[in-house]
Amino acid sequence: SYVLTQPPSVSVAPGQTARITCGGNNIGSRSVHWYQQKPGQAPVVVVYDDTDRPSGIPERFSGSNSGNTATLTISRVEAGDEADYSCQVWDSSSDHFVFGTGTKVTVL
Amino acid sequence: EVQLVESGGGLVQPGRSLRLSCAASGFTIDDYAMHWVRQAPGKGLEWVSGMSRKSGSIDYADSVKGRFTMSRDKAKNSLFLEMNNLRIEDTASYHCARGGSNWHHYFDPWGQGTQVIVSS
Repeated sequence: SYVLTQPPSVSVAPGQTARITCGGNNIGSRSVHWYQQKPGQAPVVVVYDDTDRPSGIPERFSGSNSGNTATLTISRVEAGDEADYSCQVWDSSSDHFVFGTGTKVTVL
Repeated sequence: EVQLVESGGGLVQPGRSLRLSCAASGFTIDDYAMHWVRQAPGKGLEWVSGMSRKSGSIDYADSVKGRFTMSRDKAKNSLFLEMNNLRIEDTASYHCARGGSNWHHYFDPWGQGTQVIVSS
């Protein structure tokens, strides 16, 4: 089955840039979606189809996807960005959905 | 406002059953693919099952296939997840989520989730 690997944690100072990676075999050929989940809250999509942002999501959130790595970048990090972030793809071979292992972003 | 609200979670012994519900508002569920996703304590998100729009064909993760059954009630605009022969590893927060017109669409929005604890 298809596996997506994320770093368990990323720490960043306010105002700096956080980069969260999502590794998978030839993930660049797939569409990647990113979700933010704060404690006790429902996940929210922050980037879909590699680079698109839903309405209401700040421009500080951006995505890229190439080769074996997709990346979610959070620019000018704020305290309110502290959350768990998960990547997701649809696996065409199984017709199922796969989530990454999740990354906890801590704002120092 | 588009909203999903889950209910039905609780504490259950291994081998027993539980039925989760997901009430949708602000949209019609059979216009979209709909999904159940769970998150075990300290673990990542795991897709559990999904139902395609219109035809209502259903697929399941291998970890629950044969034990869980997803269904919908169009009149109540609600989803259900019947969970049988529950195992300790089924302990998780269960979320319903809306997909899109295409099966492989991203999930938006999600419900807050309902907690299922399987323990003797």
